[in-house]
Amino acid sequence: GAVVSQHPSWVICKSGTSVKIECRSLDFQATTMFWYRQFPKQSLMLMATSNEGSKATYEQGVEKDKFLINHASLTLSTLTVTSAHPEDSSFYICSASHDRDYEQYFGPGTRLTVT
Amino acid sequence: QKEVEQDPGPLSVPEGAIVSLNCTYSNSAFQYFMWYRQYSRKGPELLMYTYSSGNKEDGRFTAQVDKSSKYISLFIRDSQPSDSATYLCAMTADYKLSFGAGTTVTVRA
Repeated sequence: GAVVSQHPSWVICKSGTSVKIECRSLDFQATTMFWYRQFPKQSLMLMATSNEGSKATYEQGVEKDKFLINHASLTLSTLTVTSAHPEDSSFYICSASHDRDYEQYFGPGTRLTVT
Repeated sequence: QKEVEQDPGPLSVPEGAIVSLNCTYSNSAFQYFMWYRQYSRKGPELLMYTYSSGNKEDGRFTAQVDKSSKYISLFIRDSQPSDSATYLCAMTADYKLSFGAGTTVTVRA
């Protein structure tokens, strides 16, 4: 159990376009979902926390107008990178937890390349 | 100073050796401590979690927590080439995880 999927697994887009990444909890209801960014050979950095039906809470330094997060249901959260630039190229990973449990289940990640 | 410090390695050991990984932290509010394994270009996979100081064993894995020293460890016995991965420590005071940098481990056949 506790499976989290992400789609797409890899996306290439042109500078200035927007990209949407989906995160789904497949076998449990995720009251809280988290979005992380990971640069090569670096650790995971939390970008934002989202709770179903409410606005996401962004970490300091993360532009909320650039990284739009929607958590419309208990099984789906989306991250939209708007007006992407090459410096946004990274590995984006989501995780999900149930009832703000400390245990988070991670998705397989989405590799974004902006050309 | 980072909240969680972890030597990124890399660490290379022969098959069958014991792998020893550790992290230190500065936030005494951290209550839950985890170890994740991450293969290249994949999401992290939870290996172990502990709450209190002491040891916890799960198969070939042993996690240790010393809250008085703010120090946690992960030991992998009888290491296998399939254990080659990046190991990240993580800890939390509420529900947000703080990760270490990750240690890249290679087990040589």
